[in-house]
Amino acid sequence: DQQVKQNSPSLSVQEGRISILNCDYTNSMFDYFLWYKKYPAEGPTFLISISSIKDKNEDGRFTVFLNKSAKHLSLHIVPSQPGDSAVYFCAASEDKDYGGSQGNLIFGKGTKLSVKP
Amino acid sequence: NAGVMQNPRHLVRRRGQEARLRCSPMKGHSHVYWYRQLPEEGLKFMVYLQKENIIDESGMPKERFSAEFPKEGPSILRIQQVVRGDSAAYFCASSPRWSENYGYTFGSGTRLTVV
Repeated sequence: DQQVKQNSPSLSVQEGRISILNCDYTNSMFDYFLWYKKYPAEGPTFLISISSIKDKNEDGRFTVFLNKSAKHLSLHIVPSQPGDSAVYFCAASEDKDYGGSQGNLIFGKGTKLSVKP
Repeated sequence: NAGVMQNPRHLVRRRGQEARLRCSPMKGHSHVYWYRQLPEEGLKFMVYLQKENIIDESGMPKERFSAEFPKEGPSILRIQQVVRGDSAAYFCASSPRWSENYGYTFGSGTRLTVV
C-alpha cells in the first residue's frame, strides 16, 4: 500500500508559467516532507522541505505548501524554466527515535515535468 | 568537496553471481542510506547505517542482501546469487549527524543488470 502518492505521472507546462506538482499521503505520523528532482542517469537532488508544523516554505522559485487536514502537499515552481524539466519526487519522513537523524524516507513514484520553451 | 561517490556506475551480472556495490559518503557525513529504484517506480528504502552499525534494515530483503559500513572504507551493499528481479538502480545517500533540512545527498547510483 502506497503511503505517498503522486497521481500525475507527467505534467507539461509552458516556459514562464507556473508548474504545480501534487502529492498525497496516508500516514498521519509523517512529520517532514521533501521534494527531490531527478535527471536521467543521475541521483535525486534535494530541492526543498517542510516540517509538519508549517504550511508553507519558500526558496527562490520553489514553494511547498502543506495541507495537513487533507494530507496533501504541492510544489509550485514560478516561473518554470526548460532546465526544470525532470522527474520530481515527493518524499515523507516519520519522526523516529534516531537521535536527530531523519532515518528512512518514503518516496512517491514521481511526476515527470516537461517545460516547453 | 566531492559528493557521494558510487561505483561502479553500471554492473552486469549473470544469474547466481554476486554483486558488490560501493558507496563513499560525502566528507563529514557519518550516515549512509541505500535505496533501490525499480523501473517506473519511486525509490524504496533498503537500509540505514552509521559507522559499523546497522540502524534500520527494515527495507532489506531477508535473504541474499547484506550491507555494511566499516570503520574504514566505503559502505558496501552485497547481493548474493543475483536473480533477474534484482535488476534496478541502487542509490546511496549520506547525511551528517544533524541535518536541519532533512535533505540527504544522493550519489548517481549503480545500475545493476542481471542477465
